[in-house]
Amino acid sequence: EVHLLESGGGLVQPGGSLRLSCAASGFTFSSYAMSWVRQAPGKGLEWVSSISGSGGRTFYADSVKGRITISRDNSKNTLDLQMNSLRGEDTAVYYCAKGEGVFDPWGQGILVTVSS
Amino acid sequence: DIQMTQSPSSLSASVGVRVTITCRASQSITNYLNWYQQKPGKAPKLLIYAASSLQSGVPSRFSGSGSGTDFTLTISSLQPEDFATYYCQQSYNTPQTFGRGTKVEIK
Repeated sequence: EVHLLESGGGLVQPGGSLRLSCAASGFTFSSYAMSWVRQAPGKGLEWVSSISGSGGRTFYADSVKGRITISRDNSKNTLDLQMNSLRGEDTAVYYCAKGEGVFDPWGQGILVTVSS
Repeated sequence: DIQMTQSPSSLSASVGVRVTITCRASQSITNYLNWYQQKPGKAPKLLIYAASSLQSGVPSRFSGSGSGTDFTLTISSLQPEDFATYYCQQSYNTPQTFGRGTKVEIK
């Protein structure tokens, strides 16, 4: 069974940094692209970033480009999201998901709150 | 970016009725359309991919149709566990974009 577990969320001040991680199990991690999708409180879903199985190709939403870096460690089956220069509008639950077009399955999500 | 417009934004329905949710893309996305179900406090769950393919394990009362710009998600007989928010999403190009969601509530 595929399992995805996010960690690293929390409260951070505007302008600060945070690194999210997603531990994957139950599938051949290196064979699949992975993505991050976020959901602001009470709002809809927003795709944030995707990375190819090898890690050689990365994609970002315009809203986070230049501030966020997606990476993966295929030896450890982990997906990371380094978030810098955080803003209030980055406050959201961040989900990691298997895939880059069709997202399935999703992790349980981790809350990131950007506030002073 | 491709805009995805869902309607209605919410609906109230009784158990056992047929429910249809529509999703319109701002340009043709052929059949690159996926549907997700999200219950409060939970992660989204894939229901339908490629417009009409039922994800493994999803009850057959869920179905999807459409191509080009107009798509529908149908629940043939609404069950208590189906009360949730439903999102469409295009995977035709990047950025992948979602509709704003349709909240299905109990009548």
